[in-house]
Amino acid sequence: ETGVTQSPTHLIKTRGQQVTLRCSSQSGHNTVSWYQQALGQGPQFIFQYYREEENGRGNFPPRFSGLQFPNYSSELNVNALELDDSALYLCASSLGGRPDEYEQYFGPGTRLTVT
Amino acid sequence: DQQVKQNSPSLSVQEGRISILNCDYTNSMFDYFLWYKKYPAEGPTFLISISSIKDKNEDGRFTVFLNKSAKHLSLHIVPSQPGDSAVYFCAAKPNTGNQFYFGTGTSLTVIP
Repeated sequence: ETGVTQSPTHLIKTRGQQVTLRCSSQSGHNTVSWYQQALGQGPQFIFQYYREEENGRGNFPPRFSGLQFPNYSSELNVNALELDDSALYLCASSLGGRPDEYEQYFGPGTRLTVT
Repeated sequence: DQQVKQNSPSLSVQEGRISILNCDYTNSMFDYFLWYKKYPAEGPTFLISISSIKDKNEDGRFTVFLNKSAKHLSLHIVPSQPGDSAVYFCAAKPNTGNQFYFGTGTSLTVIP
């Protein structure tokens, strides 16, 4: 069984640029959630995708957007990067559905640095 | 506004003793709670969960207690082992929607 993978591992971008982060969900999982973890903080929910549709969104501006593909892999896109976007971006996959299926399996994250 | 709080940034415990990690929340709509463990350079790993219809859930050395009236949950690890040294996050989900809210984490060090 393949776990959750994310690419790239690290990324350095300049303020104002755009970035795309990628996530492959665990085999059999149809739900992907993205989180931003700033230094010294807990993960903050960005949004969730279920069967290719956005299924919930946290308090993030529209320049954070996402996509889920038929194979349930996912992308997080961030436009007009700001210095405060520097963080670890975590992807988590789950089966969704019933409460006992809410356990999320996290990838190792992508460390984004905006200069 | 931090709806899930872990007020102890760090905790040190002797091997073999009990580790107690605490978590407080403010939103009475939260009905599902989880604990995650995170090692450096890895994503968080699910540890144990509890639904609001229970006040205790046990899995081996790990027990989570939920006190709904106090809006407080705790994770007990008995006996603590050096391999338990990690950052522990509690998380909560309201009864509507799919958003999980995480605390800021507690770094546990188990001293051999």
